[in-house]
Amino acid sequence: EDQVTQSPEALRLQEGESSSLNCSYTVSGLRGLFWYRQDPGKGPEFLFTLYSAGEEKEKERLKATLTKKESFLHITAPKPEDSATYLCAVAVNQAGTALIFGKGTTLSVSS
Amino acid sequence: GAVVSQHPSRVICKSGTSVKIECRSLDFQATTMFWYRQFPKQSLMLMATSNEGSKATYEQGVEKDKFLINHASLTLSTLTVTSAHPEDSSFYICSAPTLTASPEAFFGQGTRLTVV
Repeated sequence: EDQVTQSPEALRLQEGESSSLNCSYTVSGLRGLFWYRQDPGKGPEFLFTLYSAGEEKEKERLKATLTKKESFLHITAPKPEDSATYLCAVAVNQAGTALIFGKGTTLSVSS
Repeated sequence: GAVVSQHPSRVICKSGTSVKIECRSLDFQATTMFWYRQFPKQSLMLMATSNEGSKATYEQGVEKDKFLINHASLTLSTLTVTSAHPEDSSFYICSAPTLTASPEAFFGQGTRLTVV
C-alpha cells in the first residue's frame, strides 16, 4: 500500500533556529513528490516538486531534497511568517491520479 | 501558476439540507478534478475523482448518493452534500492537475462546512 509519513507532527522553533522536516514514502512508481504549505482554513499552497533522487529545489528560506526513500524540507533561519502546516504528497503511477498526502508537520516559529 | 477557485469559503447549513460547493479552474482546462476532505489535524483524504463528461469515481467508503459530483465543463466541477448531517462538517478542498506532463496539482481555497 502506498504510504506517506511525515515527522515530526509538530515543531516549535525560535526565530533563526534552522531545522528540517521529514517525509518518508513507500510507493510503487513514484512520479513526483510535492511539498505544500497550508495556513489555517486555507487550501494547500504549492512549494516544490521533486522528481528523482538527488534533486534539490530552493525557495527563499526553504530547501527541499529527495532520496529514494524520503524527502527533507530544510528551513534556514525561519521567521514567524513561516509558521504553517507543511504537507508532503506523492504522485504515483499513471498520470491524472490524485496525490497521496502525509498528515503534515505543523511548524510554529516564535520571535 | 495555475489558479483554482473554490466557492464558498465557508457555509453553515441546517441538518437535512443540501449544500453545493463549486470548483473552477480559472486559466486552464481541467478534464479531471479531485475532491478531498480534511478533518482537524488530519491529512487530506481523497473522496472522489471528477471527470468531465462522465461519472465521478468515488473512493471506498464514500457514499456517491450523498456526495453528488458534477463536472459539466472543462472548467467547473461541483460537489453537492445532500441531506447534510453534523458528521459531514469538515473542510472540503478541490484540486485540478494541469494538462501538462507535470503531475502538479493546484488547490482551491477550501470550503469549511458546518452542519448544525
